[in-house]
Amino acid sequence: ELKVEQNPLFLSMQEGKNYTIYCNYSTTSDRLYWYRQDPGKSLESLFVLLSNGAVKQEGRLMASLDTKARLSTLHITAAVHDLSATYFCAVINDYKLSFGAGTTVTVRA
Amino acid sequence: NAGVTQTPKFQVLKTGQSMTLQCAQDMNHNSMYWYRQDPGMGLRLIYYSASEGTTDKGEVPNGYNVSRLNKREFSLRLESAAPSQTSVYFCASRKEEDGYGYTFGSGTRLTVV
Repeated sequence: ELKVEQNPLFLSMQEGKNYTIYCNYSTTSDRLYWYRQDPGKSLESLFVLLSNGAVKQEGRLMASLDTKARLSTLHITAAVHDLSATYFCAVINDYKLSFGAGTTVTVRA
Repeated sequence: NAGVTQTPKFQVLKTGQSMTLQCAQDMNHNSMYWYRQDPGMGLRLIYYSASEGTTDKGEVPNGYNVSRLNKREFSLRLESAAPSQTSVYFCASRKEEDGYGYTFGSGTRLTVV
């Protein structure tokens, strides 16, 4: 059974500082997704990482994938209030997408 | 282009009542999925359909049934609702060939009292 673990589960960020969210998964997969969810809203796709060593960046967010270590990271640069949300990583295995529990991010001044 | 449309958006049921959650996508996607989201647990897969005419159980199928009516529509039925089924339900679809992500509906917030 594929297990996906995120840490931390809660992250209080100070504006302007850098932080990293980690996503570990238990079985082989070559495709990893990052989503953002605002309270009461649906999931918004942030990144799809398709191969080992993949790195994608959008604004203050950068995601990377190490399939050998079964690890993905979501790096946040110079946090701003707009980044407050819950971030999920998810891994595909045999048509099915398995999610981590989510990291709830709060950015404070 | 509407994407994935779920109805209803909100529903309150009494224990033992039945209902069907509807999901339709207009992107010609092959695969469709039903997830439930509970606090602190991420999204868990209830059922999925890899193609029209096929359905398979996910991680938490007990108490649910599904129907892939056609390529566009994938419904989720609760035959006898229980308070443990209080959750937010998301439908999603995906076109495997493009190697990219899933498109999620806006969710149905279900409360069973």
